[in-house]
Amino acid sequence: AQSVTQLGSHVSVSEGALVLLRCNYSSSVPPYLFWYVQYPNQGLQLLLKYTSAATLVKGINGFEAEFKKSETSFHLTKPSAHMSDAAEYFCAVRPDNYNQGGKLIFGQGTELSVKP
Amino acid sequence: GAGVSQSPSNKVTEKGKDVELRCDPISGHTALYWYRQSLGQGLEFLIYFQGNSAPDKSGLPSDRFSAERTGGSVSTLTIQRTQQEDSAVYLCASSPPGQGTDTQYFGPGTRLTVL
Repeated sequence: AQSVTQLGSHVSVSEGALVLLRCNYSSSVPPYLFWYVQYPNQGLQLLLKYTSAATLVKGINGFEAEFKKSETSFHLTKPSAHMSDAAEYFCAVRPDNYNQGGKLIFGQGTELSVKP
Repeated sequence: GAGVSQSPSNKVTEKGKDVELRCDPISGHTALYWYRQSLGQGLEFLIYFQGNSAPDKSGLPSDRFSAERTGGSVSTLTIQRTQQEDSAVYLCASSPPGQGTDTQYFGPGTRLTVL
């Protein structure tokens, strides 16, 4: 069964520091991978997605993620954190990537705090 | 344009009562998903509708949960005889046909509290 593991339920960085949120997946077929962000009291917003094209994916708000098949990882990074990046981040895998649509399997989420 | 909308935004009910949660997907989106977000379980898939195909109900936790999608648009998630463990935020998402069906657009959710 496919699954997603996010290492660290809470990550705290200083404003201007590198953001690194870790995600490892388990999949028997090439997966589709996603990062979503959830700001307080809001729904989930797509940050970026990997759908078997370029392994380095750029998303909104300066975030990017690199798909590494050998490490089964899809870590999210941002060179310089901003206070507005404080939110909860979810990594997700879509198991049924050979058909249109399909459910997402989410990791447990990582709450990012940004200190001034 | 308008995003996915859900109603009500908050629902408080008593144990044993039935509740209905509504989702209006983005116009033209053929796929619709329900997820549940709770403290203990994280984000869980519940059910998925794609066009006129039979829904994927594999995530529904019990037979107290059901969902329907009328006219290929609005969906209602019904929970019968609610239990305290049903307390959670219920999220709806939709995705378009053709290119980009892998992207799901989420609504703001309905927070359900069962007393």
